[in-house]
Amino acid sequence: SAVISQKPSRDICQRGTSLTIQCQVDSQVTMMFWYRQQPGQSLTLIATANQGSEATYESGFVIDKFPISRPNLTFSTLTVSNMSPEDSSIYLCSVLKGQTYGYTFGSGTRLTVV
Amino acid sequence: TQLLEQSPQFLSIQEGENLTVYCNSSSVFSSLQWYRQEPGEGPVLLVTVVTGGEVKKLKRLTFQFGDARKDSSLHITAAQPGDTGLYLCAGRIQGAQKLVFGQGTRLTINP
Repeated sequence: SAVISQKPSRDICQRGTSLTIQCQVDSQVTMMFWYRQQPGQSLTLIATANQGSEATYESGFVIDKFPISRPNLTFSTLTVSNMSPEDSSIYLCSVLKGQTYGYTFGSGTRLTVV
Repeated sequence: TQLLEQSPQFLSIQEGENLTVYCNSSSVFSSLQWYRQEPGEGPVLLVTVVTGGEVKKLKRLTFQFGDARKDSSLHITAAQPGDTGLYLCAGRIQGAQKLVFGQGTRLTINP
């Protein structure tokens, strides 16, 4: 399976600012995804990061708020823009390598907006 | 509306007891996965079930995929304090690459 390095692991940010989260994989992967996990809750898919093209967003998530880049098959970034306290959450990167290896998750970024 | 209904959402039992967690949906999934998540970590894959009626065992954990591939269960035998954690089921929608998650089951095993 793939090994994911997600940075930063945690951050405390001022409202109105933006934070970019990085996801680096040790090998080329088919798909990359970004999830949000609010305290004590399950995971909600934000978007699928597409290599070389615009990400595919799920209902309730928009590009202006969560711009995503995926310049190659091993790296992606998620930016949380114009943050408010409601954006306080854990953000997780996930990858799918081929069809048989299953999905692997990063350790997450714990974001607190004050 | 939750695509995958997971129950119970909270479970606290004594060491040595057995338990079952359920995931149910009206949708058919091409596969279903079970994860366990510890605080401060991402979910870690326990098992993937693909075939309707499939049963997989992982030590004291038994996973079953429903015949119609719409539901799944996780059964733990003789639970131990080390089993404490958040258990998540996730289904892969047919024809798509993304996963949808159940609400999660926060399991506590008391010594």
